[in-house]
Amino acid sequence: AQSVTQLGSHVSVSEGALVLLRCNYSSSVPPYLFWYVQYPNQGLQLLLKYTSAATLVKGINGFEAEFKKSETSFHLTKPSAHMSDAAEYFCAVSAPLNFGNEKLTFGTGTRLTIIP
Amino acid sequence: SQTIHQWPATLVQPVGSPLSLECTVEGTSNPNLYWYRQAAGRGLQLLFYSVGIGQISSEVPQNLSASRPQDRQFILSSKKLLLSDSGFYLCAWSVGLSGKNEQYFGPGTRLTVT
Repeated sequence: AQSVTQLGSHVSVSEGALVLLRCNYSSSVPPYLFWYVQYPNQGLQLLLKYTSAATLVKGINGFEAEFKKSETSFHLTKPSAHMSDAAEYFCAVSAPLNFGNEKLTFGTGTRLTIIP
Repeated sequence: SQTIHQWPATLVQPVGSPLSLECTVEGTSNPNLYWYRQAAGRGLQLLFYSVGIGQISSEVPQNLSASRPQDRQFILSSKKLLLSDSGFYLCAWSVGLSGKNEQYFGPGTRLTVT
């Protein structure tokens, strides 16, 4: 079974500083990996996804993530934090289900706080 | 373009009362549909998913049920709510048979059971 672990339920960074949110996965088959962002009282929005093409994936809002098979990691980064980046971030891995459907298994999330 | 709607946005219900949450998707056909519950600090828990009309799979045994009466309509129900049913309920959709395809989420329903 697939799973993801997000290290750090809360991360605080200063405005303009590097953002690093950690995600490690476990999968018996080559995984597909996703990062989602959730603003308060809203649904989730896709930031980026890895689907076995380029290992460095660029997403929206200046975020990117690198797939490292040797480390089973898919950490999310942004060079310079902005106040608008304050939100909760979820890493997810896909797994095949019956009838060819896919299921996303989510991590428990990391709440990102930006310090002015 | 595709859009997903959920209603109501917020709901306060007493213990033991029934529940009906609705989700509809526009702009796509034969989507895969999902219901998630998000409890504070616990991430997202997949409750049900559906690959077609009348086809419902349950991930977690509980007092909730789901139905898909139409291709783009997904309903989450309960006959008698429990305090533990409180949470943020999210509907999502995806297309295709590949795990590469992301899920798109609705705005959610905040349910408080009192």
